[in-house]
Amino acid sequence: KAGVTQTPRYLIKTRGQQVTLSCSPISGHRSVSWYQQTPGQGLQFLFEYFSETQRNKGNFPGRFSGRQFSNSRSEMNVSTLELGDSALYLCASSGATPDGYTFGSGTRLTVV
Amino acid sequence: SQQGEEDPQALSIQEGENATMNCSYKTSINNLQWYRQNSGRGLVHLILIRSNEREKHSGRLRVTLDTSKKSSSLLITASRAADTASYFCAPAGYGGSNYKLTFGKGTLLTVNP
Repeated sequence: KAGVTQTPRYLIKTRGQQVTLSCSPISGHRSVSWYQQTPGQGLQFLFEYFSETQRNKGNFPGRFSGRQFSNSRSEMNVSTLELGDSALYLCASSGATPDGYTFGSGTRLTVV
Repeated sequence: SQQGEEDPQALSIQEGENATMNCSYKTSINNLQWYRQNSGRGLVHLILIRSNEREKHSGRLRVTLDTSKKSSSLLITASRAADTASYFCAPAGYGGSNYKLTFGKGTLLTVNP
């Protein structure tokens, strides 16, 4: 079966712009989580959605937001981009019982 | 949250040797998961061990869990150059928080040919 698909793979944006990243989970998976990974901070949890509802949230400013659609696809949005938002953004999906996440290959965002 | 802390931060071994990585956590858990990440890629789920299990095997991987010490270890036997990657543990709690996996800095394993 198809894995978790993240688009785009690479993105370059300018400070102050906004960006939307997309994640298509494994078919049948209803939980989608987002992570930010940087060399300095490591892997940081952004938020988790389940059946279109945000169920868990990390400690990120309100510029970071997300949503989940009825088909479980998810998007995350970052507004007013800062240089420090440059990172690898990872999406992961899980089934009804959290017996392990399947991660996508990530979106590499560079803010210049 | 149930963030895991991996130790050591870096480990360098020769091909064929065994590699052991440790994980400590602070709160009670439902299960603990180990993941691998090759440079710049997504994480790959390796193995999950439940709180009522003490040891689990999968191929060349052996995971132990000691809930009294709140620690786990991952052993990779007969390592290969392809095992070079960062390894992360993720303790998972109960209920809705079970889905909020948090990761530590990981252990960077280098297997030299």
